[in-house]
Amino acid sequence: ETGVTQSPTHLIKTRGQQVTLRCSSQSGHNTVSWYQQALGQGPQFIFQYYREEENGRGNFPPRFSGLQFPNYSSELNVNALELDDSALYLCASRQGLPSYNEQFFGPGTRLTVL
Amino acid sequence: GQQVMQIPQYQHVQEGEDFTTYCNSSTTLSNIQWYKQRPGGHPVFLIQLVKSGEVKKQKRLTFQFGEAKKNSSLHITATQTTDVGTYFCAGGETSGSRLTFGEGTQLTVNP
Repeated sequence: ETGVTQSPTHLIKTRGQQVTLRCSSQSGHNTVSWYQQALGQGPQFIFQYYREEENGRGNFPPRFSGLQFPNYSSELNVNALELDDSALYLCASRQGLPSYNEQFFGPGTRLTVL
Repeated sequence: GQQVMQIPQYQHVQEGEDFTTYCNSSTTLSNIQWYKQRPGGHPVFLIQLVKSGEVKKQKRLTFQFGEAKKNSSLHITATQTTDVGTYFCAGGETSGSRLTFGEGTQLTVNP
């Protein structure tokens, strides 16, 4: 186990609804990255947070938003859900910002949008 | 933006055969990481390469980083059924801190 936890593990929503996913980073890690992994594809970078501020964003619309708290845990919010949002959402934490610092993934949240 | 391509998409081998997956970036990378994801699981960090031309070994796994820091490979010698999973490379951008993942190579090993 990596020490990175995510909740919930599974979620079913309908189109148009909103969802909040949560990530608890490994102790001492101040950077959290969020990824979307569609079935059969590689993780796609959504955004990352460093010391409570967004630091880098991938090619995702504004209805994907996030937050990082003082304890470095993080949330991913998705508004106006679409069918294509169905995917595994992964968070990964690491110490510091450089990409060469080893990052640890959580088990993911499987989101299904009907 | 940075793109990372990985081939092949799928590879089926008999147990004992070798396996190689290749990763190519559209831009020069600061580092490259390799991950393994078992079916139903999440990516697990295997290794990181930082230096041009670097070669690292982990038992039956050999990782290489190209001289131009734009490509990389993972080679598994004498595959075992425990090697089953999808192998991803992830490139670190030189001007930022994000990682861009390839699409992965799904390895199946027939006993």
